[in-house]
Amino acid sequence: ETVLTQSPATLSLSPGERATLSCRASQSINTYLAWYQQKPGQAPRLLIYDASNRAPGIPARFSGSGSGTDFTLTISSLEPEDFAVYYCQQRSRRLIFTFGPGTKVDF
Amino acid sequence: QVQLQESGPGLVKPSETLSLTCIVSGDSIDNYYWSWIRQPPGQGLEWIGYVSNSGSTNYNPSLKSRVTISADTSKNHLSLEMKSVTTADTAVYFCARMLVVEGFDVWGQGTIVSVSS
Repeated sequence: ETVLTQSPATLSLSPGERATLSCRASQSINTYLAWYQQKPGQAPRLLIYDASNRAPGIPARFSGSGSGTDFTLTISSLEPEDFAVYYCQQRSRRLIFTFGPGTKVDF
Repeated sequence: QVQLQESGPGLVKPSETLSLTCIVSGDSIDNYYWSWIRQPPGQGLEWIGYVSNSGSTNYNPSLKSRVTISADTSKNHLSLEMKSVTTADTAVYFCARMLVVEGFDVWGQGTIVSVSS
């Protein structure tokens, strides 16, 4: 099965700064990649699907890019509520799903 | 607006069977696929499996031998059974609506399960 790695493990930034998070797949997954945000004590929230499509209600400062094995989630200007853990997730053609280990964005 | 609510015993003994329920409100479970996902304390997310709107299932290969997911359309809920649990199964268990293309777009709040004697 496809393994996802995320880097960095922790990203220390300030409000207003740009955040760039990376997700790499162990084999090509086309654009079958989603991104989630999780805050402490909460369920994850879907941000991006199919590598670059924002989910309904997600602010435009969140954007995704990439295809094949290398993907990026960019937050153009961090708001205080954006400090959280971000996970990437892939789906295989057989609808087997795996998540990356996460990147924590902290202040 | 779709809402999901997980429930189950907070504590299960090693080697026993874990049983959880997820009540779906605001839509019929017939219309979508539904998944279970878990998160051990302080760790990342692990997909457990799904049940489709036709009742077919698919599981994480690493858990397949121990897991059964089912849907009860009369009660509009889904269930998770996991056999022969160990302390490694201690986690927050989430149910989520699964869109094949988009991913997991609606989540329950999660229920904590501890495996301990």
